Amino acid sequence: DTAVSQTPKYLVTQMGNDKSIKCEQNLGHDTMYWYKQDSKKFLKIMFSYNNKELIINETVPNRFSPKSPDKAHLNLHINSLELGDSAVYFCASSQDPGRKGYGYTFGSGTRLTVV
Amino acid sequence: QKEVEQDPGPLSVPEGAIVSLNCTYSNSAFQYFMWYRQYSRKGPELLMYTYSSGNKEDGRFTAQVDKSSKYISLFIRDSQPSDSATYLCAMTGNTDKLIFGTGTRLQVFP
Repeated sequence: DTAVSQTPKYLVTQMGNDKSIKCEQNLGHDTMYWYKQDSKKFLKIMFSYNNKELIINETVPNRFSPKSPDKAHLNLHINSLELGDSAVYFCASSQDPGRKGYGYTFGSGTRLTVV
Repeated sequence: QKEVEQDPGPLSVPEGAIVSLNCTYSNSAFQYFMWYRQYSRKGPELLMYTYSSGNKEDGRFTAQVDKSSKYISLFIRDSQPSDSATYLCAMTGNTDKLIFGTGTRLQVFP
């Protein structure tokens, strides 16, 4: 009964390929996020969705496209993968963003390696 | 310059030591401050939350915020080997976007 689950856990792929990462949360949260963590452990927000609506869209190449079929799911599709896309991608969710004390609940990450 | 600065460490201490982890920030609009702990190959988990300036204590952990100096701290008393992890500070103002520090790697040896 994992709260925020991501699949796959590991992804190794060649440059130029298209891949997707899936995320599901069973916490009943309205808001979901994608964060990218680089090799130096720096976590940077990419996107957030509130109840299927795009709220935050940081300066991310348009090769990255999030999709939220319902408020419990937020998937990330990446086209034409590049070496620099190698990182750990974290999905997260939060309850009522205005009440910041809840923070985020993170998934365990998807380690993407582009070769 | 990043909005949030954090010493990456690594910080290596003996079991039982008091550990001090710190972050500085530049955005005076930040008023919600958090500390996350991240074990290797896991997602970050929320450890402490503080609103505005002041202290908050939870067991062996104490979080301090000094908004006048734009400086936050996390103290760990009687550190244990199980505390070995990366500690990330995070903060936000009136948006839902959390800004993270780069994380400090802590190693507590027996």
